[in-house]
Amino acid sequence: GQQVMQIPQYQHVQEGEDFTTYCNSSTTLSNIQWYKQRPGGHPVFLIQLVKSGEVKKQKRLTFQFGEAKKNSSLHITATQTTDVGTYFCAGSSGTYKYIFGTGTRLKVLA
Amino acid sequence: DAGVIQSPRHEVTEMGQEVTLRCKPISGHNSLFWYRQTMMRGLELLIYFNNNVPIDDSGMPEDRFSAKMPNASFSTLKIQPSEPRDSAVYFCASSSRLAGVGNEQFFGPGTRLTVL
Repeated sequence: GQQVMQIPQYQHVQEGEDFTTYCNSSTTLSNIQWYKQRPGGHPVFLIQLVKSGEVKKQKRLTFQFGEAKKNSSLHITATQTTDVGTYFCAGSSGTYKYIFGTGTRLKVLA
Repeated sequence: DAGVIQSPRHEVTEMGQEVTLRCKPISGHNSLFWYRQTMMRGLELLIYFNNNVPIDDSGMPEDRFSAKMPNASFSTLKIQPSEPRDSAVYFCASSSRLAGVGNEQFFGPGTRLTVL
């Protein structure tokens, strides 16, 4: 079945450093979503990417969807302590079902 | 808007007992999802409802798990009998468009279940 993997599993950065998490699907996706889950919290939607090669920005966050629509990345510039949490990608092949990635847990050291 | 409401927030029970988790989706949303999150298996989709009808229950682990959605504002996930390996955080999520395609899912706060 469809699998969505993320790397790295964990990342510790100093405040102010950049951070990137990568998402890879075993199958071609129709669209991909990104979520953030704070420690002890629930996943919160960040963004959705639909088009091949699409790039979207939200302040310090940059999201990319690969040309082949099988991978995606999230890049955070100049991390802050408020960025702490686990970032999940969730891929869909065009139906209601989103397969969540394994997540990347980010820790920001002040 | 109150968001997705789940109850209870925490549940501790003994093996063999029946457990019922409850969810109230956001008003107007017609798609509802139940997920289970564990360290080992991550976030897994258990069942998906559209317009109160179960569309896909292929993620339900076994017959001990059942879910219902009697109306647009209420859903339950029941485990009977519960086992220690069912310990996890169970999330309910809802979304608004037809069949939930391409729409953000709004997650509830989750129910942390511990089965002793």
